[in-house]
Amino acid sequence: AQSVTQLDSQVPVFEEAPVELRCNYSSSVSVYLFWYVQYPNQGLQLLLKYLSGSTLVKGINGFEAEFNKSQTSFHLRKPSVHISDTAEYFCAVLVRSGNTGKLIFGQGTTLQVKP
Amino acid sequence: DTAVSQTPKYLVTQMGNDKSIKCEQNLGHDTMYWYKQDSKKFLKIMFSYNNKELIINETVPNRFSPKSPDKAHLNLHINSLELGDSAVYFCASSQGKGANTEAFFGQGTRLTVV
Repeated sequence: AQSVTQLDSQVPVFEEAPVELRCNYSSSVSVYLFWYVQYPNQGLQLLLKYLSGSTLVKGINGFEAEFNKSQTSFHLRKPSVHISDTAEYFCAVLVRSGNTGKLIFGQGTTLQVKP
Repeated sequence: DTAVSQTPKYLVTQMGNDKSIKCEQNLGHDTMYWYKQDSKKFLKIMFSYNNKELIINETVPNRFSPKSPDKAHLNLHINSLELGDSAVYFCASSQGKGANTEAFFGQGTRLTVV
């Protein structure tokens, strides 16, 4: 079965420092991968997605992620974080069955940006 | 214009009651979903509908019954609510049958059963 593992439950970082949120997936077939962000008491917003093509994907708010097939990883990075980036981040893989699909989420990583 | 909207945002109710959560999307998508986020923030799919047809039904108690009157709406009715049903329920939608693109999520409904 396909699964997603987010290796860090919490990542504290100082403002303007770089950050990397780690995500590994297990899949024996081609994968579609996503990062979503959830701000406090809000819904999930798509940060970026990998469907095909370039393995370096750029998203909103200065985030980017790199798809690494050999390491089955899709780590999220930002070179300089802001206080407003404090939120819960979810990595997800799209599991397809025929022409239908569903998202399998990781456990989430809480990014805490300190002043 | 809110793309995926859910009502209510908060719902507090007693054990044993029956309640419904409504969801509407104005994105023109064909597929809609219900996801549940538990107290540890873990997200798991419950149901998926494509053009009013149920296409994904995860292991969910029969007390949960989704209804899709048209492809823009997917409601969730819960009978005989239990304490363990307390969670945040997210509605989502995607194009096609959801096999090759991202899902767009609503703001969530925080259900508290007391």
